Amino acid sequence: AQTVTQSQPEMSVQEAETVTLSCTYDTSENNYYLFWYKQPPSRQMILVIRQEAYKQQNATENRFSVNFQKAAKSFSLKISDSQLGDTAMYFCAFIVGGTSYGKLTFGQGTILTVHP
Amino acid sequence: EADIYQTPRYLVIGTGKKITLECSQTMGHDKMYWYQQDPGMELHLIHYSYGVNSTEKGDLSSESTVSRIRTEHFPLTLESARPSHTSQYLCASSEYSPSYEQYFGPGTRLTVT
Repeated sequence: AQTVTQSQPEMSVQEAETVTLSCTYDTSENNYYLFWYKQPPSRQMILVIRQEAYKQQNATENRFSVNFQKAAKSFSLKISDSQLGDTAMYFCAFIVGGTSYGKLTFGQGTILTVHP
Repeated sequence: EADIYQTPRYLVIGTGKKITLECSQTMGHDKMYWYQQDPGMELHLIHYSYGVNSTEKGDLSSESTVSRIRTEHFPLTLESARPSHTSQYLCASSEYSPSYEQYFGPGTRLTVT
């Protein structure tokens, strides 16, 4: 069974600064995908960034980037130049690849507050 | 935002009532999911479907039931609501593709009094 752990229940950051959210996972699989989802207050959950385990290069999407350490089973999210709109709950998620019936496993979530 | 819709957005109902939470998507996705999420907590998968006439129970036991008669529609039903069912219910869908991205609806916040 796969597990995903987010050890930071809450984080805060000043606008324009950088913040890193932590995520670790446990699996015996070699083919899998990792995700960071963002759930703003009272709004829909959306995908922030995705990382394929077979890719060594860390994924980047504008101000969002990941530090993927496969051997350590670590997948942290870095948000640069934080904006007020980044305030949300962030979930790390995992799915086994190569199957058509994969299910996402979510971490406990981290509430991020960006202060002006 | 993704084309996945949930109604109602908020529902307050008395114990013992039967309720149906609606979920529809216009993306033609075969895979659909229902998650239960208490405020500020993680998501738990309660039901999923890989296509029409396919439904499976998720990781978290739930007294709710689902049906999938049409690709775009995946309703969730509680035959007799109880206060323990108070929670937020999120619907999601995805393609059969290597991306595995799930698209989420806005959620239904259910309160059973």
